[in-house]
Amino acid sequence: GAVVSQHPSWVICKSGTSVKIECRSLDFQATTMFWYRQFPKQSLMLMATSNEGSKATYEQGVEKDKFLINHASLTLSTLTVTSAHPEDSSFYICSALGTLDTEAFFGQGTRLTVV
Amino acid sequence: GESVGLHLPTLSVQEGDNSIINCAYSNSASDYFIWYKQESGKGPQFIIDIRSNMDKRQGQRVTVLLNKTVKHLSLQIAATQPGDSAVYFCAEKTRGSQGNLIFGKGTKLSVKP
Repeated sequence: GAVVSQHPSWVICKSGTSVKIECRSLDFQATTMFWYRQFPKQSLMLMATSNEGSKATYEQGVEKDKFLINHASLTLSTLTVTSAHPEDSSFYICSALGTLDTEAFFGQGTRLTVV
Repeated sequence: GESVGLHLPTLSVQEGDNSIINCAYSNSASDYFIWYKQESGKGPQFIIDIRSNMDKRQGQRVTVLLNKTVKHLSLQIAATQPGDSAVYFCAEKTRGSQGNLIFGKGTKLSVKP
């Protein structure tokens, strides 16, 4: 199957700093990527839908100025958590929609810890 | 935010037994369903999918059943193995959506050797 790579797999940052997470589709082009957030023992919650070359669509309750999404190419989407706080500590997962627009391929996730 | 004390439903089975994991969905406009397996600290891994025009689909050791009447989805794992221990999520895609998936709450499967 198609491969989606996330980087970094984990990151620890100080409160108030910004962190960028990358999501790459390695062997296919993804016009649409999705960003999810998962707290411990909970399900994945969709944060935003990222379309190449256009602005991301954010889910209700997700601050677009805090979670900056850039999808500048067909193989890369980035999520930047700006002015991170401890409550932003979570597992962030991206997925990319395949060319058949059916199956979504997931990255391995990024564990963010804000101290 | 995080809910303190929230626990996933847990299904505990003996190695070699069959496992059945259930999921209820709410949107009758959903036309595509997927089961994912998630191991600790990793992203979801695709197991099997089914479209709304089907009621059963079989893979290797796994079967997905879809009952649209009661909006119910189940995953059956035959001859469960210790390596099957993980959290299992069902996900649904709504007809006409961009492809974003809505995930269910998840079930933790523990396999006893």
